[in-house]
Amino acid sequence: AQKVTQAQTEISVVEKEDVTLDCVYETRDTTYYLFWYKQPPSGELVFLIRRNSFDEQNEISGRYSWNFQKSTSSFNFTITASQVVDSAVYFCALTKLAIYGGSQGNLIFGKGTKLSVKP
Amino acid sequence: NAGVTQTPKFRILKIGQSMTLQCAQDMNHNYMYWYRQDPGMGLKLIYYSVGAGITDKGEVPNGYNVSRSTTEDFPLRLELAAPSQTSVYFCASRPRRDTPTMFFGPGTRLTVL
Repeated sequence: AQKVTQAQTEISVVEKEDVTLDCVYETRDTTYYLFWYKQPPSGELVFLIRRNSFDEQNEISGRYSWNFQKSTSSFNFTITASQVVDSAVYFCALTKLAIYGGSQGNLIFGKGTKLSVKP
Repeated sequence: NAGVTQTPKFRILKIGQSMTLQCAQDMNHNYMYWYRQDPGMGLKLIYYSVGAGITDKGEVPNGYNVSRSTTEDFPLRLELAAPSQTSVYFCASRPRRDTPTMFFGPGTRLTVL
């Protein structure tokens, strides 16, 4: 069975602090994808990043960076120099993708981490 | 492209009423999904479709029905609404089996009183 755990329910930081959101996953599949989505107070789900199980390179996009470690089944998300606009609920998600066997491609979501960035 | 659109944005239902949540996408995506989001619980899959005419149950299908007569539309039907169906409903789509990234609509907030 697949599972995603985001142990941090809520995090509160002051603007300009760095913050790391943890994501631990469980899967028996050898091919899978990991995602981060952002849900701002307005409610929509915004895609941030996708990573496949064969690519463990860390990725940086502006103030955002992601650390994927298969050895610890983790896919952590760091925001550097946080800003008030980063306040949101962040979801980590997992899907298998069976190219040959077929898959509905359902995303398994963690429960989310609510990040509050105070000025 | 408008992407994934959902209507209505908000709705209040009385217990026992029925309604249809509309979802449409203009990206010619084959795969479409309905999720519900309950507070502090992440998103759970209700139903999904791999193409027009093909639908299947997800994790929490009870109390819901879907149809997929066209590639663009994937409506979710609630029959005999119950308070347990109070939730935020998201529709999502992705292009093909080998493209995993899912794109979400803006959501419908439903309250059943």
